Amino acid sequence: EVQLVESGGHLIQPGGSLRLSCEASGFNFGERGMHWVRQVPGKGLEWVAGISWGSNTKNTADSVKGRFTISRDNARNSLFLQMNSLRPEDTAIYFCAKEAGGSWYTHWALENWGQGTLVTVSS
Amino acid sequence: QSALTQPASVSGSPGQSITISCSGTSSNVGGYNLVSWYQQLPGKGPKLLIYEDNKRHSGLSLRFSASKSGNTASLTISGLQIEDEADYYCCSYAGGVTLVFGGGTKLTVL
Repeated sequence: EVQLVESGGHLIQPGGSLRLSCEASGFNFGERGMHWVRQVPGKGLEWVAGISWGSNTKNTADSVKGRFTISRDNARNSLFLQMNSLRPEDTAIYFCAKEAGGSWYTHWALENWGQGTLVTVSS
Repeated sequence: QSALTQPASVSGSPGQSITISCSGTSSNVGGYNLVSWYQQLPGKGPKLLIYEDNKRHSGLSLRFSASKSGNTASLTISGLQIEDEADYYCCSYAGGVTLVFGGGTKLTVL
């Protein structure tokens, strides 16, 4: 069974930094692209960042570019999101999600999602 | 990376059909056959319904179908059921390692 478990979210002051983690199990983590998606409670989904299976390709949304960095450690089956210079508008539930597809190919859809971790940026 | 455009809400009665549209550009929806759709029930995480414009994810009811014409994708739910009441999101590949979501549509089953 695929499991994605996010951690690291908590209350932080504006301008602060936070590192989110996503521990994966139940599939060959190193063969799948991964993403972070966020959702302000009661609002819509926003794609935040994505990374290919081998980390050679990655990208972040314009809204977080230059402040957030996505990375992964395939040996530890883990995905990370380093969040710097946090702003109140970054307050959201952050989900990690696994691409649909097979070994080393992707449908560019997100077939498994974690339960999310809440990041609150407030003074 | 502008969000895709979806109607804020749609509604229908049990047994009826509804269609949710998702409008993008040639840089996302119209440029690739890579639109996906998600259902999010209250208090739950998103669930993949459709990928690659019109392919049903494993186990999805045949009541759900999707299509695309130009820069606009559509999700149709036929034979509406009470349990279909949820938020629905479209999403498109946008090049590189980039995805873009629609603003979401709240489906009410009257």
